[in-house]
Order: sequence, then C-alpha cells, then structure tokens
Amino acid sequence: EAQVTQNPRYLITVTGKKLTVTCSQNMNHEYMSWYRQDPGLGLRQIYYSMNVEVTDKGDVPEGYKVSRKEKRNFPLILESPSPNQTSLYFCASSYGPPWSGNTIYFGEGSWLTVV
Amino acid sequence: QKEVEQNSGPLSVPEGAIASLNCTYSDRGSQSFFWYRQYSGKSPELIMSIYSNGDKEDGRFTAQLNKASQYVSLLIRDSQPSDSATYLCARGGGNKLTFGTGTQLKVEL
Repeated sequence: EAQVTQNPRYLITVTGKKLTVTCSQNMNHEYMSWYRQDPGLGLRQIYYSMNVEVTDKGDVPEGYKVSRKEKRNFPLILESPSPNQTSLYFCASSYGPPWSGNTIYFGEGSWLTVV
Repeated sequence: QKEVEQNSGPLSVPEGAIASLNCTYSDRGSQSFFWYRQYSGKSPELIMSIYSNGDKEDGRFTAQLNKASQYVSLLIRDSQPSDSATYLCARGGGNKLTFGTGTQLKVEL
C-alpha cells in the first residue's frame, strides 16, 4: 500500500528538548516536504527536498532542520523546540514537484505540543 | 495581500444543494490550481486540479478557473453530509505550492 508514514503521531514535549519527527514514503518519490498547519494560518511549508541531498527552505523554516540522506526518509528536526512550534505537522511526498501537477500524498499528521 | 485567499466560513448548505467554494490568488504567474478536502483531524486529499481557463468536471465536482480575474472556484453538486469538511485551495508556480486557509463546508440534513 502506497503511504507516507510519520512518527510520532502525538507528542508533548518540553521547551528546549531536541526532538525528531520521522517521515518515510514507500513510493520512490523524489519530492518530499514538511508543512505545519495552524488555525487561521492554513498549511505552511517548512522545508522541501527535490531529491537526495537536495533540500531548501519553505515559507517558515526558522527553528527547524531537515536532512535527506535516503530517498525514502525526510526527518524533521527541532533542535530547541519552543511553544510557538506547537502545531499539527504533515509530511508529504510526490513523484515530482506538486506545483507541476504531480499528486501530493500526505502523511497522517503529527500533533506536537511544546510546553 | 495573502497569496491565496479563501473565506473561512462556515458555509452551510442543505443536502442536495450546490455548494460553491471560492478562492482568489495574487500571483499572476500561478500556473496550476488545486482543491483539497480535509476532514477534521485528517490529512488533506486532492480532489481536483485545473490548469487552464474554464471548467473542469469530475463527477459531482466542477472546478472553474478565471486567470484574468485571478479566481478559482469549486462547485459541489448534490451535496451530501459526507462532503462536510474543510476545502483547501492551492496554487502552484514559482517552484511553490501555496495553500489557502480553507473554507469549512457544512452540509445539513
């Protein structure tokens, strides 16, 4: 079954404690990205990757890091989480760039609360 | 000005009616447009894409694009309670896919 898998799905953590949200896709997609979704602000892109070892900033990259060492994995790293990073996070992937019409597949989402 | 603007709603329609969802965008260089449906607590799923002016129909859904007016809409015919969700408009162009904040649709029995 084609899918994008994120972990953890739910997490409550404390300010400053480094955490990683993993993302893995089994569709051999080249493009992967991370979004955060907040009430009234919609889906905003954090980082994206066009292929292995190729990453770029989205609209809200501050406070986040990513890496793309393998095609299937695209972890999101919060080095020092702060309460303003409390949000619903989605990982997504597509065969090619989604703005070119490639269907983008979203993971189930990770609810992150930073206290 | 936001890149993609949608009325947050809620838009309430009776079952069986036509629901009309609207979206405007600011970048005239936008090349592709998408409608996603998102149920509460779930991930977005693509329901329609449109690239050229005019209408595109898929089952009960019709997407309409007017590039001159920078306007894209989604019509849902014979609305069903299962259509109750938030509908996200997105535009593609300039190596970006940008989402609106979504319109909440409620289909009432």
